[in-house]
Amino acid sequence: DVVLTQSPLSLSVTPGEPASISCTSSQSLLHSDGYNYLNWYLQKPGQSPQLLISLGSSRASGVPDRFSGSGSGTDFTLKISRVEAGDVGIYYCMQALPTPWTFGQGTKVEIK
Amino acid sequence: QVQLMQSGAEVRRPGASVKVSCEASGYTLTGYFMHWVRQAPGQGLEWMGLINGYTGVTTYAQKFEGRVSMTRDTSTNTGYMELSWLTLDDTAMYYCARDPPTPQALDMWGQGTWVTVSS
Repeated sequence: DVVLTQSPLSLSVTPGEPASISCTSSQSLLHSDGYNYLNWYLQKPGQSPQLLISLGSSRASGVPDRFSGSGSGTDFTLKISRVEAGDVGIYYCMQALPTPWTFGQGTKVEIK
Repeated sequence: QVQLMQSGAEVRRPGASVKVSCEASGYTLTGYFMHWVRQAPGQGLEWMGLINGYTGVTTYAQKFEGRVSMTRDTSTNTGYMELSWLTLDDTAMYYCARDPPTPQALDMWGQGTWVTVSS
């Protein structure tokens, strides 16, 4: 199975400051169609996960442009340009290339 | 309004089975895949498997092979996940999620169903 390793596992950020989360895959997630099958999700406290980024860098509908995804192959990054109070929760990367789909361990983001 | 509505919380004894439903509204099940993901208390997300809403073909995580069954009823636009031979370690929140033809991502999630396994 593909192993996704996130870092850091926790992050405390001042509102208005940027934040960055890394996700490293044990196998390349670059498909022959040119897309990276790596998605990012946010699970806010007490809620179901919600899709932020698909195919490595494509923002889901309604996701603010403060969120951006980048990377290719085995190394990916989620960046929040200016963290807001509503961004708290656990961020997960997930690969959707081979089954079983797998998730990273999650990164807990809190506000200072 | 597009949404996934899951059935209510369940309590089971070890060795029993549980069947969770996930009713889709605002879209047709047959145009999408439905995935099931679980989350043990205080833990991360674990992918269990998927069902093709059109063909009914399933793919399960090897960990659950032999004791999970995912089905769908196109007449009621509802997906189901049945897990048998429950153990205490199966206590978790179970989510259904929609996967559109493109991209391969879970773009909508149900509200979750708590399953408690207790002796």
